[in-house]
Amino acid sequence: DAGITQSPRHKVTETGTPVTLRCHQTENHRYMYWYRQDPGHGLRLIHYSYGVKDTDKGEVSDGYSVSRSKTEDFLLTLESATSSQTSVYFCAISEFGSGGAMRYEQYFGPGTRLTVT
Amino acid sequence: GENVEQHPSTLSVQEGDSAVIKCTYSDSASNYFPWYKQELGKGPQLIIDIRSNVGEKKDQRIAVTLNKTAKHFSLHITETQPEDSAVYFCALGEDTGRRALTFGSGTRLQVQP
Repeated sequence: DAGITQSPRHKVTETGTPVTLRCHQTENHRYMYWYRQDPGHGLRLIHYSYGVKDTDKGEVSDGYSVSRSKTEDFLLTLESATSSQTSVYFCAISEFGSGGAMRYEQYFGPGTRLTVT
Repeated sequence: GENVEQHPSTLSVQEGDSAVIKCTYSDSASNYFPWYKQELGKGPQLIIDIRSNVGEKKDQRIAVTLNKTAKHFSLHITETQPEDSAVYFCALGEDTGRRALTFGSGTRLQVQP
């Protein structure tokens, strides 16, 4: 298995509280991604990072922010959690060789199940 | 953004039969087509992928076919076994820009012993 861990694995929080999810990798890959998974929607991209301090938005970024101060860590923050953010969150990593071709597959972490009550 | 449709949403087969899952897309810039298997409580795991310059790829009992003209690609599983039961996702990727994947909505495959 790729060296990706996510913490916490499960969390229940109340509406309006801030929540931070952590993704940690030991593969030294430049690219890191946060997806959310909901029934009937597959996985949807929230934010991604292409290097330390380099991040950008995905399709469902509203209500989320990210930070990457070290290669190995990518944090996802819900500033004020809402019930619509109840979901399973997956982190993924990838790397690319010269010329842009994907050199490695995109590895996924085990996920964090977040419930907002 | 890119859209990918995946069918069927559920598929039940008898052990030993074949299973086929199909995905269609619209963005001709997509050039990377992976398939993921997700077991209950786990993250998606890549099982096979294909690039746009190849029409078919096979790995033991699984194969992927790509028709770039018609913009669809399919996963084929032969001689299905109960351990093949899982949710399968197709995805699209590009070698430029953010290089993230766009996922289909998933197919729940149930292999009946």
